[in-house]
Amino acid sequence: GAGVSQSPSNKVTEKGKDVELRCDPISGHTALYWYRQSLGQGLEFLIYFQGNSAPDKSGLPSDRFSAERTGGSVSTLTIQRTQQEDSAVYLCASSLMAGPGELFFGEGSRLTVL
Amino acid sequence: DQQVKQNSPSLSVQEGRISILNCDYTNSMFDYFLWYKKYPAEGPTFLISISSIKDKNEDGRFTVFLNKSAKHLSLHIVPSQPGDSAVYFCAASGGSNYKLTFGKGTLLTVNP
Repeated sequence: GAGVSQSPSNKVTEKGKDVELRCDPISGHTALYWYRQSLGQGLEFLIYFQGNSAPDKSGLPSDRFSAERTGGSVSTLTIQRTQQEDSAVYLCASSLMAGPGELFFGEGSRLTVL
Repeated sequence: DQQVKQNSPSLSVQEGRISILNCDYTNSMFDYFLWYKKYPAEGPTFLISISSIKDKNEDGRFTVFLNKSAKHLSLHIVPSQPGDSAVYFCAASGGSNYKLTFGKGTLLTVNP
């Protein structure tokens, strides 16, 4: 498709389990971002990838969170030993290049940790 | 520490009237501002942006005003339409910092 694709759209898991969230950015977009939106909150920056540069992981809330981007395209966000406070909508966005400007968001992956 | 604040969680206006959504920021390094619109179960979509070298940017029914001295921006929608009902997020970035910092959003409801 033409837009940013995320999967799964919904994920319910038990506390302590690991989850993987996938993002397929717009073809040709070199920059990829992960944000999350907890209930009643704004969008919280998690991690940023730009081309082959080292990712900016400064927004990851704990070492249980990690992300990778293979071949400069698809990205996977992994949350280990999930906690209830990890429940949120995880949004992926891509842009044509680094720098300020328009980000194109996917529809998000809603994670619920029981 | 919230660097981008949208103090009104919700706003309700009549169709045809003006909607004014407000946003305040604290980081003086921010020099680029954007508004995103979000419908339920969808990702945010870009609406309009403004650089700090300008104080106004207009695109059809949407106008964004920037007051740098007050660290305040606003989004005006005229005339408002029921299809404009959505959550509106203000976002900002600064200098070489590519990260967008978002506010918590304002739910706009336009009543027919």
